[in-house]
Amino acid sequence: AQKITQTQPGMFVQEKEAVTLDCTYDTSDQSYGLFWYKQPSSGEMIFLIYQGSYDEQNATEGRYSLNFQKARKSANLVISASQLGDSAMYFCAMREGIGGSNYKLTFGKGTLLTVNP
Amino acid sequence: DAGVIQSPRHEVTEMGQEVTLRCKPISGHDYLFWYRQTMMRGLELLIYFNNNVPIDDSGMPEDRFSAKMPNASFSTLKIQPSEPRDSAVYFCASNGRPNQPQHFGDGTRLSIL
Repeated sequence: AQKITQTQPGMFVQEKEAVTLDCTYDTSDQSYGLFWYKQPSSGEMIFLIYQGSYDEQNATEGRYSLNFQKARKSANLVISASQLGDSAMYFCAMREGIGGSNYKLTFGKGTLLTVNP
Repeated sequence: DAGVIQSPRHEVTEMGQEVTLRCKPISGHDYLFWYRQTMMRGLELLIYFNNNVPIDDSGMPEDRFSAKMPNASFSTLKIQPSEPRDSAVYFCASNGRPNQPQHFGDGTRLSIL
């Protein structure tokens, strides 16, 4: 079974609107972390936002927020007020056993977001 | 602060040649990771190091691939001999604390002809 599932291969959004990118995960660990990265067409991997499994509040970073629903094992990324520069591939990733010695990240296959003017 | 630095940015070489990719992690980061990204397989972890020691190399595809980290500020990923199917973008990343993100270099785009 895949540990990280991103069901939307591609998404379109109008500039200035909000968009939600889905991510579901599978783990039996109680302690884990969820990360979102952005990869524009230039290729670099840019960290966006982090949510720990014990964090009570949903993470926010500027226009990015994470809709964390632990019982449903989902960690959806919400981008508010989309900009043309948000057009990119977005990856969800998980690190299990975050209190221990595991530093490996498991990545989803990504969602390609296109922002239309 | 300087980020993760990879070189070269692009490499084009012929099948059978040795390829060496280089990485300088962020200073103070104890963990270093090598990834490979292709359209077919997505982002794959090849190997990672902690304090210069390889911890998990289960993602290394075969014996043609080797990685070293002789000191805290330098790592290499070597492919010998290279094959066309090794064509991919190779990323290096480094990590401090576990609840902090991995920081990626800009990648090396490798083409084996």
